[in-house]
Amino acid sequence: NAGVTQTPKFQVLKTGQSMTLQCAQDMNHEYMSWYRQDPGMGLRLIHYSVGAGITDQGEVPNGYNVSRSTTEDFPLRLLSAAPSQTSVYFCASSYFLPGQAEAFFGQGTRLTVV
Amino acid sequence: TQLLEQSPQFLSIQEGENLTVYCNSSSVFSSLQWYRQEPGEGPVLLVTVVTGGEVKKLKRLTFQFGDARKDSSLHITAAQPGDTGLYLCAGTPGNQFYFGTGTSLTVIP
Repeated sequence: NAGVTQTPKFQVLKTGQSMTLQCAQDMNHEYMSWYRQDPGMGLRLIHYSVGAGITDQGEVPNGYNVSRSTTEDFPLRLLSAAPSQTSVYFCASSYFLPGQAEAFFGQGTRLTVV
Repeated sequence: TQLLEQSPQFLSIQEGENLTVYCNSSSVFSSLQWYRQEPGEGPVLLVTVVTGGEVKKLKRLTFQFGDARKDSSLHITAAQPGDTGLYLCAGTPGNQFYFGTGTSLTVIP
């Protein structure tokens, strides 16, 4: 029962470097999303996707890119890392039904930008 | 601007005490959810409330949805150390989840 798999779990980047956070789900959910978690801020939505080929911006999209070429995968790209992007990143896979919805999360990626 | 505000932000209590956590918004939601997150893990769903005024119980946890469907509360009776964690409320305007600011609960044995 893999659910949502995120890699890597930890990463240290230098300012200006680029990297991709990987996310894969095996629940055949159409909806996937990326969040960042900072102290006192809860989870803030970065980008989301409602299906393969469709993505949209969330609350805090600046500095991040996403694509969704398959139902299973939803990578998050940081093109030029900045210290303000130091955070814990969570990928989620979700379903929505009338009166019922649930988000399933990966274990997170702790990113430090120095 | 956070769509959902939670209070208190931090709560530290002794084992056996009762507590209430609040989740407030100026927006109306078709449903609200509560998640619990443990250190090093992603949040896990506890409950979904759908109807205004609805009350749901999960063992020692009681969840209530406000009559106007703008707010919710989580009450824990006789807290135990295993209740320690970050509690997050979430609303689903459209097909996205928006999370509250979180309440970090520590239950001291």
